[in-house]
Amino acid sequence: DAGITQSPRHKVTETGTPVTLRCHQTENHRYMYWYRQDPGHGLRLIHYSYGVKDTDKGEVSDGYSVSRSKTEDFLLTLESATSSQTSVYFCAITSDRTRGYTFGSGTRLTVV
Amino acid sequence: GIQVEQSPPDLILQEGANSTLRCNFSDSVNNLQWFHQNPWGQLINLFYIPSGTKQNGRLSATTVATERYSLLYISSSQTTDSGVYFCAVITSGTYKYIFGTGTRLKVLA
Repeated sequence: DAGITQSPRHKVTETGTPVTLRCHQTENHRYMYWYRQDPGHGLRLIHYSYGVKDTDKGEVSDGYSVSRSKTEDFLLTLESATSSQTSVYFCAITSDRTRGYTFGSGTRLTVV
Repeated sequence: GIQVEQSPPDLILQEGANSTLRCNFSDSVNNLQWFHQNPWGQLINLFYIPSGTKQNGRLSATTVATERYSLLYISSSQTTDSGVYFCAVITSGTYKYIFGTGTRLKVLA
């Protein structure tokens, strides 16, 4: 989507290794979110940010950490990847939490 | 927390048919969005609709917040409408949208 990019788009990693996914926006939006999508579960919120250095946990935060040191970047880290973290990860942004989201194109992560 | 249920879970249509997708939610919401996820995985915002009715081409949506449901109408369906449709709601005092599990739509040529 215009104004929001995720990297990498695809990654295969081994169990136990650390992994960092990046969400970058050029919209200067305050709010950023990380979701994971798994069959049968829809999209579930991992962590979100409501400003630089302001983050909070979502529904499925165990095993994940985030950082937001500047407005445009929101990083998701898997400290020690497990096979249960194999998923598609989506980042979303919005300027007003009560209004609509814009999603990134997703990162497909496979943990072997 | 709030529960968001979508029905039907799966739907197969012949091209040109009309359909109605439903989203029920268990608590009062401040806002609601409908999304389409295409077969390539991209999530596209269709409607931001906390209440009332909106239309965009062949698609329209209605949310009746007092009765805790929203409907997405697709008329004259096309094969490009295939994919998964999600509704997502946000409740008062939170920063986050909670998603339903989606309706998977397949439109046959």
